[in-house]
Formats: sequence, C-alpha cells, structure tokens
Amino acid sequence: AQSVAQPEDQVNVAEGNPLTVKCTYSVSGNPYLFWYVQYPNRGLQFLLKYITGDNLVKGSYGFEAEFNKSQTSFHLKKPSALVSDSALYFCAVHSGSARQLTFGSGTQLTVLP
Amino acid sequence: DTAVSQTPKYLVTQMGNDKSIKCEQNLGHDTMYWYKQDSKKFLKIMFSYNNKELIINETVPNRFSPKSPDKAHLNLHINSLELGDSAVYFCASSQVVRGGNTDTQYFGPGTRLTVL
Repeated sequence: AQSVAQPEDQVNVAEGNPLTVKCTYSVSGNPYLFWYVQYPNRGLQFLLKYITGDNLVKGSYGFEAEFNKSQTSFHLKKPSALVSDSALYFCAVHSGSARQLTFGSGTQLTVLP
Repeated sequence: DTAVSQTPKYLVTQMGNDKSIKCEQNLGHDTMYWYKQDSKKFLKIMFSYNNKELIINETVPNRFSPKSPDKAHLNLHINSLELGDSAVYFCASSQVVRGGNTDTQYFGPGTRLTVL
C-alpha cells in the first residue's frame, strides 16, 4: 500500500519570505513523487515531479522540491513567496508500475501581502 | 487547445436521476482516470482505463459506470444519484512509459456535481 502525509492543513507566509510545504510518503519500491497546485474552482495543475536522478527537482513558477530517501520526504519549497502562490497544494505518490496515484490531504498555502 | 476537457463544468440535479460526465484528452495518452474530490478537498481515484481497458476499479458503488469509447475519451455515468454523490469529479490522463510505468497525470478542470 502507498500513502502520503501532508502534516499541515494550513501554511501562512509573508510575501517575499521563503516557503515550505511538507510531504512524507510511504511506498513499496521506488517512489514516483509529484506536486500539484489547485487554485479555487480550478483543476489540478502539475508543478514538478521526482522519478530518479538529482534529489533537488525544479518545477514551474519557481518552485522546487527536495527528495530525501532516508526521511521519506518530498518537501515543496520556494525561495520568495508571492501572493499569487496562495492556493491548495497536493503531494502525490505512486510506485511506478502501480498506476494508482495516491494524494495527500492537501495544504492550503496563504501568502500574506 | 485544452489538453483535458470535461463537460459539463457544473451539474445540478435531483436525487434519483441519472447523469453523465464526459471527458476528452488530446494529449495522445493511453491511460485515463476519474477522481472524486469531496467537500474536504480529499482526492480519491475511482477508475482508470488503459487503451479502453479497465485497470483500476476502486471501491465505488456500482451506480457509477465508466465507459471508454476510445482511448481519448472516458465518460462517467451515474445512476440513481444520491446526496452523497455531491462532489467535484476530475478526469485525468497519462502515458504509460517504458517498463510499464506511468508518467505525469494531467487533470481536467473538474465537474462540480450537486445533488439536491
């Protein structure tokens, strides 16, 4: 079985400050890890993914995430938050051949002006 | 061009009715999915089709029946709608890559279903 935990329902950060949205996972085999963002009344937009290779993955809109195998984590980061980054962020995992993508419960990010 | 599209965007209906949601993708992907997002924003897979063949069928009431006329389309038909079916339903697609692994899933804009 595979699972994802996003321990924070809500993250608040001031504009211009760095942000981190946390994600830990559990999966059999090598993990395929994803971050998606959902703006109000919109679908999920793909941000970035880790399949293999460099542990630091860069994605859309200046976001990046660091894969840490020993801590089974894949935290989303951005050096300088924008008000427009305010949205619901989902971490997701599958084990490659398991085509079922399992999502975390989501973290609402609010960037304060 | 929209990569994954769904119709309708909003669907309001009475309990007991039958309704369908359509999904189309123009990405050339061979795998399509239906997800349900509940009122707490929790996302859960319902079904997945690969090349028109059902490969994932989670514990979903048999009132829900997916249909894939071709690999670019995956429709969701719901019989005898219940209040608890109210949710946002998302369609997604992806491509199986070498080794049988799946690549990134791309999502449609969602269909907000409200059952009165």
